[in-house]
Amino acid sequence: GAGVSQSPSNKVTEKGKDVELRCDPISGHTALYWYRQSLGQGLEFLIYFQGNSAPDKSGLPSDRFSAERTGGSVSTLTIQRTQQEDSAVYLCASSLMVAPDTQYFGPGTRLTVL
Amino acid sequence: GQQVMQIPQYQHVQEGEDFTTYCNSSTTLSNIQWYKQRPGGHPVFLIQLVKSGEVKKQKRLTFQFGEAKKNSSLHITATQTTDVGTYFCAGLYIFGTGTRLKVLA
Repeated sequence: GAGVSQSPSNKVTEKGKDVELRCDPISGHTALYWYRQSLGQGLEFLIYFQGNSAPDKSGLPSDRFSAERTGGSVSTLTIQRTQQEDSAVYLCASSLMVAPDTQYFGPGTRLTVL
Repeated sequence: GQQVMQIPQYQHVQEGEDFTTYCNSSTTLSNIQWYKQRPGGHPVFLIQLVKSGEVKKQKRLTFQFGEAKKNSSLHITATQTTDVGTYFCAGLYIFGTGTRLKVLA
């Protein structure tokens, strides 16, 4: 079946602009996660949506970052007033059950802030 | 908050040599997962360990969960060039710092 998809695959933006990154999880998956990965670095947890419960937003680095998950499916990560340090690959993952459960990752969105 | 550290950060081995990466959590884990990320790719699930002291094998890979459920290890016997990548452990949804493995043919 279809895996996790993310769009766009690449995004180049100017400093100060807002960007929206989209994640389509595997159909029927309860949980959805966003991570950020800078070049050659590990996965930095951003936010976790756990079904109908309140999301865990503890990983969001600043109030410029927000995310929503509509209808328990598609999720959008929004970065306002982008900064150069926001440049990274943003990875989305979903799992059938709430954490801890096997996470299936999308291909990521590479964000470059000029 | 929870922190998960891995050592070593990098490891270069000759093909055929063994490789081990160690994972340590600041808190007790209900379970631990291991993922592999090939260069340019995204993390792919390898295995999940749940029980204290559990040992699981996948061909040349051996995974172990510590008795206190705060540490884990991944051992690869006789590495191959296909083993190249970064290995991450994860507790809940906090990933370890990763170990990047390079295998020299």
